[in-house]
Amino acid sequence: GNSVTQMEGPVTLSEEAFLTINCTYTATGYPSLFWYVQYPGEGLQLLLKATKADDKGSNKGFEATYRKETTSFHLEKGSVQVSDSAVYFCALSDSETGANNLFFGTGTRLTVIP
Amino acid sequence: DAGITQSPRHKVTETGTPVTLRCHQTENHRYMYWYRQDPGHGLRLIHYSYGVKDTDKGEVSDGYSVSRSKTEDFLLTLESATSSQTSVYFCAIRAGGNTGELFFGEGSRLTVL
Repeated sequence: GNSVTQMEGPVTLSEEAFLTINCTYTATGYPSLFWYVQYPGEGLQLLLKATKADDKGSNKGFEATYRKETTSFHLEKGSVQVSDSAVYFCALSDSETGANNLFFGTGTRLTVIP
Repeated sequence: DAGITQSPRHKVTETGTPVTLRCHQTENHRYMYWYRQDPGHGLRLIHYSYGVKDTDKGEVSDGYSVSRSKTEDFLLTLESATSSQTSVYFCAIRAGGNTGELFFGEGSRLTVL
């Protein structure tokens, strides 16, 4: 079946620090992989995606590479800002059923302090 | 902006009462979803719809029903709310294309006392 295992938080970093949030997955077939971000009081926003092995998704300084050999999709940013404080969710697309839904990790809360 | 509106945004109700949450979209997308978000669980799929009057169950469908009589509206009903259904509920749509991403509404926070 499909599942996503995500690094537990919370994560607290100083501004300009390097960020890594680990994400590994289990899936049959060839899912697409996603990172979503949720700011306080808001819904989830798509941060980046990758649709096949070795693809790199990137947006707003964040990057993640689809690694099929390690079934991973780790999120990285070289220099975080206070405005990056949010909850980050790793997700994969359902490639087994007709639902076309997403399976989510449990989320990682990031707090960036000045 | 994916044109998704959820209502109500906040609701407090008592155990045993019926509750209906509404999701409205303006862009005529075929697939719509209801998820619930709980600490330690991320988002879990309750029900989804793949067209008018076409719906199916998700991972955590017990205690919930849905209806879709128009393309633009997808309703989630709790027939008799329980405290375990206290949660934040998100509606999502699947936009066009094959890459599978979903776009989410702003959420409806439900508290069952």
